[in-house]
Amino acid sequence: GAGVSQSPRYKVAKRGQDVALRCDPISGHVSLFWYQQALGQGPEFLTYFQNEAQLDKSGLPSDRFFAERPEGSVSTLKIQRTQQEDSAVYLCASTGSPTRIRETQYFGPGTRLLVL
Amino acid sequence: AQTVTQSQPEMSVQEAETVTLSCTYDTSESDYYLFWYKQPPSRQMILVIRQEAYKQQNATENRFSVNFQKAAKSFSLKISDSQLGDAAMYFCAYRSVYNQGGKLIFGQGTELSVKP
Repeated sequence: GAGVSQSPRYKVAKRGQDVALRCDPISGHVSLFWYQQALGQGPEFLTYFQNEAQLDKSGLPSDRFFAERPEGSVSTLKIQRTQQEDSAVYLCASTGSPTRIRETQYFGPGTRLLVL
Repeated sequence: AQTVTQSQPEMSVQEAETVTLSCTYDTSESDYYLFWYKQPPSRQMILVIRQEAYKQQNATENRFSVNFQKAAKSFSLKISDSQLGDAAMYFCAYRSVYNQGGKLIFGQGTELSVKP
């Protein structure tokens, strides 16, 4: 596709519900990042994939958060037993090369999650 | 660990005037990249400008330029001839060249408004 897409754009969940957020990176992009952006804050790193391998998950806030990218393209961020503090915008970004650090990260529009 | 600080939560500028957004960062690394990203209300994060730490020359992109002071760990963004479309949240970000994948570390953001 022309850019990074994310779905759904908005998600309302009841506390305790499981949610799945999808990211479609730019076609051919090797690297994929997930960030969490709380209201009025800058994005914070959650996890990083190089192809299908999850190489860094140091930013995942708890074991309720799980991400996968089984075929090295589409990625899903799953949050189990959602809590109110999980309410945020979840941003996905992709870049073409894992070795060229100057590569631009292209961001998707984000999924706004509201947990009631 | 690296940190990025934006001390101006909000800034305002008159159309056609010049505005400078401040950013400081803390790192013990000698080589890294710094970025300014723009996030309009639609939420899609867009790269504005990038600076490689090993380059002494300040980066410029049309109306956007930076003042990179490596010793002071300062990285300000100057927007010249401000336009209504420049109104957005601006985030300063740091990217290590040593970190696998190159995750971005963001500041808290500065909300820029442009008055006609």
